[in-house]
Amino acid sequence: GAVVSQHPSRVICKSGTSVKIECRSLDFQATTMFWYRQFPKQSLMLMATSNEGSKATYEQGVEKDKFLINHASLTLSTLTVTSAHPEDSSFYICSARGGTDTQYFGPGTRLTVL
Amino acid sequence: AQSVAQPEDQVNVAEGNPLTVKCTYSVSGNPYLFWYVQYPNRGLQFLLKYITGDNLVKGSYGFEAEFNKSQTSFHLKKPSALVSDSALYFCAVRDPGNTPLVFGKGTRLSVIA
Repeated sequence: GAVVSQHPSRVICKSGTSVKIECRSLDFQATTMFWYRQFPKQSLMLMATSNEGSKATYEQGVEKDKFLINHASLTLSTLTVTSAHPEDSSFYICSARGGTDTQYFGPGTRLTVL
Repeated sequence: AQSVAQPEDQVNVAEGNPLTVKCTYSVSGNPYLFWYVQYPNRGLQFLLKYITGDNLVKGSYGFEAEFNKSQTSFHLKKPSALVSDSALYFCAVRDPGNTPLVFGKGTRLSVIA
C-alpha cells in the first residue's frame, strides 16, 4: 500500500508553545489530507479535511485558530498546534488520499504538553 | 449522515480458531466500506475495502469481509487466527466522492495461544 510518513513521532513541549507536525505522502500525490485526533482507547475523531492549495475544512468544535493546517503541496500537509495546553495532549494521526478510494494513514504523533 | 457501529468492544478467540469482528453501517447511498488495524502507538494500516463488485472481499494478512446490503453489515473474518492478529480493528465508511472516513469505535481483538 501507499506510504504516509509523519514527523515527529513523539513531542513533549511546554504549555504555551507551538508545535508543528508534518505529514507526507511518500509515493503518491495526496489531493486530500485529513487530520485526526485519538484519545486513549477511543476511536479517531476527524479534526479537519484539507485539499491541496485550499483552506482546510474544520469539523464542528475544532478551533481553526488553534489547529492551523497547511496543505501547500500534493505531498505535504502540516498541523500546527498553537499555544498548546495540557488538554491538547493526544495522539494525532494524518491521513492522505490520492487518486484511489483508499485513505492511507501516517504512524501518528504523540503530543504531550506539560 | 454516515455512521458505523462496532457492537463488540472486545473479541477473544483461541489461536487457530476462526474469528469474526462485526460491523454495521448506515449511509444515505452506496457505501464505501473499509477495515483498518491499529497496533499500539501506531497509525492505522489498511486491510481491505468494498467499493463495488463481489460481496466477498479479500485483504491483507488472510483477512476477508463480506458486504451484506440487506443487513447493512461488513463483518471482518479470518479462517484461522494468529496471536499476531491481536490488535485494535476499526471499521469505516464513507459516501462516494471526496468525503472523509467515519470510523466505528473499534474492537479489540485478543488471540490467545
